[in-house]
Amino acid sequence: GENVEQHPSTLSVQEGDSAVIKCTYSDSASNYFPWYKQELGKGPQLIIDIRSNVGEKKDQRIAVTLNKTAKHFSLHITETQPEDSAVYFCAASTGNQFYFGTGTSLTVIP
Amino acid sequence: DAGITQSPRHKVTETGTPVTLRCHQTENHRYMYWYRQDPGHGLRLIHYSYGVKDTDKGEVSDGYSVSRSKTEDFLLTLESATSSQTSVYFCAISESGRTGELFFGEGSRLTVL
Repeated sequence: GENVEQHPSTLSVQEGDSAVIKCTYSDSASNYFPWYKQELGKGPQLIIDIRSNVGEKKDQRIAVTLNKTAKHFSLHITETQPEDSAVYFCAASTGNQFYFGTGTSLTVIP
Repeated sequence: DAGITQSPRHKVTETGTPVTLRCHQTENHRYMYWYRQDPGHGLRLIHYSYGVKDTDKGEVSDGYSVSRSKTEDFLLTLESATSSQTSVYFCAISESGRTGELFFGEGSRLTVL
């Protein structure tokens, strides 16, 4: 099956700085890569996604890039705010399943 | 918010007892999933359903069974709970399967003593 690795596991940034989370995947057949944000005590929520025919996608302060050749994709959050503090999961979709990374706990320091 | 309800939200049980977790949706989505979340492992798929009475195994299905007799309900059963099944369980639904958004429930925290 697919193997998704996510780094770093924890990340602290000052408010206003940028945060970058990186993921790699192993199955070249994976073609959909969503990112989920999980706040304490809640279920994950989709924040942005990218499909394999696109190299970059942006939504306000959040962007995702995909390098199919290298099999890696990244989440970029600019101008971070305290409400961005949460756990972020990347995922890759192949076969009939989603495979998730192990999560990154992001703390934005005011 | 997507209409997904998990029950119970919290449960403490003893080793060897059966446990059933319920996921109920009001969105009429075709696909339903059960994940478990553990520190250091992220979210791992246990079982999923692609229609009424149509289910398949995920990557960590041993010790779990599922049933879906109606579109809106997806049950996860631990026939004989073990301490290794202590976890937070999330139900998710999707309209289009692996090419679309997953909507997650609030989670069910299970402790097996």
